[in-house]
Amino acid sequence: DTTVKQNPRYKLARVGKPVNLICSQTMNHDTMYWYQKKPNQAPKLLLFYYDKILNREADTFEKFQSSRPNNSFCSLYIGSAGLEYSAMYLCASSTLGGAETLYFGSGTRLTVL
Amino acid sequence: QQQVRQSPQSLTVWEGETAILNCSYEDSTFNYFPWYQQFPGEGPALLISIRSVSDKKEDGRFTIFFNKREKKLSLHITDSQPGDSATYFCAASAETGGYKVVFGSGTRLLVSP
Repeated sequence: DTTVKQNPRYKLARVGKPVNLICSQTMNHDTMYWYQKKPNQAPKLLLFYYDKILNREADTFEKFQSSRPNNSFCSLYIGSAGLEYSAMYLCASSTLGGAETLYFGSGTRLTVL
Repeated sequence: QQQVRQSPQSLTVWEGETAILNCSYEDSTFNYFPWYQQFPGEGPALLISIRSVSDKKEDGRFTIFFNKREKKLSLHITDSQPGDSATYFCAASAETGGYKVVFGSGTRLLVSP
């Protein structure tokens, strides 16, 4: 079962309020990723967990947090949403190494008003 | 700085024609190049991939041509079908780059019957 599930499918948030997005996978993958996708732009890597080790991209370090309480679950947390956070957020998982297949969820579309 | 570039942004072909999607990259350490296919409402899914030791990879109607010297690759879809209508992302990663996969901005393909 190659399934990555994301909840919720759509999320509406107010400017300045926190946002928490959830991802789960059943493949026992050791690496989980979060990408941000805006229209006509490339999916942008925000952060990834290898096992329990969190790696955040330098240019988004201050904006996003994450937790991985167990191998199957990973969350993406925005402390104070701004209009620029409106985007599709894609979660993916893989086995060790960037040279392996990424399995994506269907995404959460976040709209910040 | 965009490390992976795709062209065209959108492409329309007739059913039965060959669609050619282009990709180029800048980082010479990239050595793995997957193409992901995304249908509306779904997450991207791996379609076909190639490693830099090869110059061609075929899988049915889908073929990747790779030119390491020019840092270019292309995806050819022969006998295009309406069901091939989707967005195609070229991506790249390096064994020495940890677990990061860098994506292009995608080509939206429409196959008209």
